[in-house]
Amino acid sequence: QLQLQESGPGLVKPSETLSLTCTVSGGSISRANYYWGWIRQPPGKGLEWIGSIYYSGYTWYNLSLKSRVTISVDMSKNQFALKLSSVTAADTALYYCAKLGDGRLFDYWGQGTLVIVSS
Amino acid sequence: EIVMTQSPVTLSVSPGERVTLSCRASQSVGSNLAWHQQRAGQAPRLLIYGASTRAAGVPVRFSGSGSGTEFTLTISSLQSEDFAVYYCQQYDDWPPAFTFGPGTKVDIK
Repeated sequence: QLQLQESGPGLVKPSETLSLTCTVSGGSISRANYYWGWIRQPPGKGLEWIGSIYYSGYTWYNLSLKSRVTISVDMSKNQFALKLSSVTAADTALYYCAKLGDGRLFDYWGQGTLVIVSS
Repeated sequence: EIVMTQSPVTLSVSPGERVTLSCRASQSVGSNLAWHQQRAGQAPRLLIYGASTRAAGVPVRFSGSGSGTEFTLTISSLQSEDFAVYYCQQYDDWPPAFTFGPGTKVDIK
């Protein structure tokens, strides 16, 4: 059974960079047609896709966040990571990592990790 | 960007009732539409993809329909574990610029 687990600081200061890691267990991050993604959910609000990656390093991002987002993959650790720069209070959210079946379906989700942006 | 809208915002229903949720896309997404269920305090869970195909392990009381810009999720007989927020999500084009609807909350009447 594939499992995903987010990790990283729960508190980030404004203007700094938010960094999160998603560890994949129960399957290889480099399996063919397995893509990976990050989605966030501000408290009490809906879901926003941030960006996605394939193990080859191919990435694509939400245009509204593209200038601040970097997603990378570390096959040796079976992990992928999110960096979001120049954060503000508006970036406070529950951040989920997820597997994308065939690059299109969010079919496995992590439990999410809350990141608060505050000084 | 394809904008997704959902109605109603909230639906108050009794267990055993039939429930119909609506989702609309600002432009055609074909059948590239998924539904996710999010119970309180939990991560979303994929219910339906391809507008009408149930994901693995999803009970048969959940069904999806529609194509183009208009979609429906139906729960034939609401169970206690179905009280949750339901999000539609489009994945048209390649690579997909995924967008979610704002959600419909199904709560107890």
